[in-house]
Amino acid sequence: NAGVTQTPKFQVLKTGQSMTLQCAQDMNHNSMYWYRQDPGMGLRLIYYSASEGTTDKGEVPNGYNVSRLNKREFSLRLESAAPSQTSVYFCASSVGISYEQYFGPGTRLTVT
Amino acid sequence: GDSVTQMEGPVTLSEEAFLTINCTYTATGYPSLFWYVQYPGEGLQLLLKATKADDKGSNKGFEATYRKETTSFHLEKGSVQVSDSAVYFCALGQTSGSRLTFGEGTQLTVNP
Repeated sequence: NAGVTQTPKFQVLKTGQSMTLQCAQDMNHNSMYWYRQDPGMGLRLIYYSASEGTTDKGEVPNGYNVSRLNKREFSLRLESAAPSQTSVYFCASSVGISYEQYFGPGTRLTVT
Repeated sequence: GDSVTQMEGPVTLSEEAFLTINCTYTATGYPSLFWYVQYPGEGLQLLLKATKADDKGSNKGFEATYRKETTSFHLEKGSVQVSDSAVYFCALGQTSGSRLTFGEGTQLTVNP
């Protein structure tokens, strides 16, 4: 099992460009999440999907959109990147919304 | 709402020292409690968990006991190694269907 995979691992964007971060899990989990982590360590939840077909906003959803493509895949889209979105993005999944989460390796995004 | 408070870091120890990272929580009912570890450049990994009062979670020499009377879940290790240098996150999960709540993380550096 690969667990949670994320692509790309690194990305540099210019202000105003768009991109989609991909996430997939092979653990048959129902719930999936997108976090960002900025210097200072804390995790902030961007969006989550409690189950296939549903998505909900987290703490910092502005500037992002998500798609739960199927049970395995959950993508995060930046429509018009801004320097404030420079961060490390983590995808996670769990059996259900209140269960322990399993994290991907992260995508390091720089917006210039 | 639910919340998790961790001791402020960074924490710096010498190899073979005793480690305690404090974690206290505020929650209704009987949440599950977790410790995650994040090694440099990686995603979070589940380190240990406890699902009911007085349970002790343990893994890789780390232990934490679910203390309902003090609403705490302190992480301990008897003899730390340089390889334990990482950021440690405490988290709680309710059975009510809400998401996990993470603490802010505590940076641990172990010097040889």
